[in-house]
Amino acid sequence: QQQVKQSPQSLIVQKGGISIINCAYENTAFDYFPWYQQFPGKGPALLIAIRPDVSEKKEGRFTISFNKSAKQFSLHIMDSQPGDSATYFCAPSADKLIFGTGTRLQVFP
Amino acid sequence: EPEVTQTPSHQVTQMGQEVILRCVPISNHLYFYWYRQILGQKVEFLVSFYNNEISEKSEIFDDQFSVERPDGSNFTLKIRSTKLEDSAMYFCAGRGPTDTQYFGPGTRLTVL
Repeated sequence: QQQVKQSPQSLIVQKGGISIINCAYENTAFDYFPWYQQFPGKGPALLIAIRPDVSEKKEGRFTISFNKSAKQFSLHIMDSQPGDSATYFCAPSADKLIFGTGTRLQVFP
Repeated sequence: EPEVTQTPSHQVTQMGQEVILRCVPISNHLYFYWYRQILGQKVEFLVSFYNNEISEKSEIFDDQFSVERPDGSNFTLKIRSTKLEDSAMYFCAGRGPTDTQYFGPGTRLTVL
């Protein structure tokens, strides 16, 4: 019930391209759906989050799409930049965060 | 902008020794968490703490682990008798009334 599956494990995108990372969960008690970004040697930092009462949220180049019936949500990074190269984690929550396995994104110029 | 701080940044210890990892959460936060991340793996929940008591703990958080908020500002994680498999990055996190958890930079624990 706590399992969170994230894909892909790694992603290589050219500068200016779109990066898409997916997350599937099982626990219907989750009520908060964040994406965290982590750079090497640093702690995870909140990138963007969504509540289940909306299906999409956009903040600048970052968009979350949420499909409650499918129990999936995804992160879209538009116009990907080399500075976006990091590991991304979905971490759905009903208090404690349950982290996915992570996606290592590399954006090449 | 207020930040979560953690000390030390790196701790090396011998197997069987006790370690204390320290965190200073953001001052108006009320809910506190410890997570760990074994090298190359996902971040795992250890324990949550609210109103000076443990709210929830994972299977990882056995009798060797304890948490404390001794003085209203620091938040500590103690491992009484470290094992090799305790080697990991340990992250402290906190939140206020919203859902957003703010993470510290982590303490890298190496058990030899």
